Amino acid sequence: DTAVSQTPKYLVTQMGNDKSIKCEQNLGHDTMYWYKQDSKKFLKIMFSYNNKELIINETVPNRFSPKSPDKAHLNLHINSLELGDSAVYFCASSQDAPVTSIEQYFGPGTRLTVT
Amino acid sequence: DQQVKQNSPSLSVQEGRISILNCDYTNSMFDYFLWYKKYPAEGPTFLISISSIKDKNEDGRFTVFLNKSAKHLSLHIVPSQPGDSAVYFCAASEGGSYIPTFGRGTSLIVHP
Repeated sequence: DTAVSQTPKYLVTQMGNDKSIKCEQNLGHDTMYWYKQDSKKFLKIMFSYNNKELIINETVPNRFSPKSPDKAHLNLHINSLELGDSAVYFCASSQDAPVTSIEQYFGPGTRLTVT
Repeated sequence: DQQVKQNSPSLSVQEGRISILNCDYTNSMFDYFLWYKKYPAEGPTFLISISSIKDKNEDGRFTVFLNKSAKHLSLHIVPSQPGDSAVYFCAASEGGSYIPTFGRGTSLIVHP
């Protein structure tokens, strides 16, 4: 009964490929997020969706595109993968729009390695 | 420019003693602070939070202290247990911006 799940857990691919990471939450939350944890271990927010609408879009390359078919899912598509995209990507969700920084529930992460 | 700093990458503590994890921030607009705990190969899990209107919040063995004038917060774990061994992330946000800023984490090792 995983609250926030991601697939795949590991992803190894070559430069230039297009890949997707899927995320699902069964908590009934309204807001979902994608974070990138880089080699320096910082967790940086990439996107946030509230009720299927993008409400935060940090300055990430437009090769990254979030897709939310419904409020329980937020998938991450990455086109033309580059070496620098190698990182651990975390999906998260929270109860409401993050008006007062309500705590987030994280998935287990997807370790992406671009060769 | 790191707005949330966890200057100690690691901390080693004996079981039963107190663990103190520190976090400094530079943005005076931050008004909500959270601590997350992360085990290897898992996502961070929420531990405890504190609003800027308070200076202390306690939950069982975990207590967070906030010193707004020093822009400093700390997480105290008493008594420490081996199962507390994990990476602890400090995070902060402004109510208006909605975006949490994370520190780079402190790895806590509690020795039996």
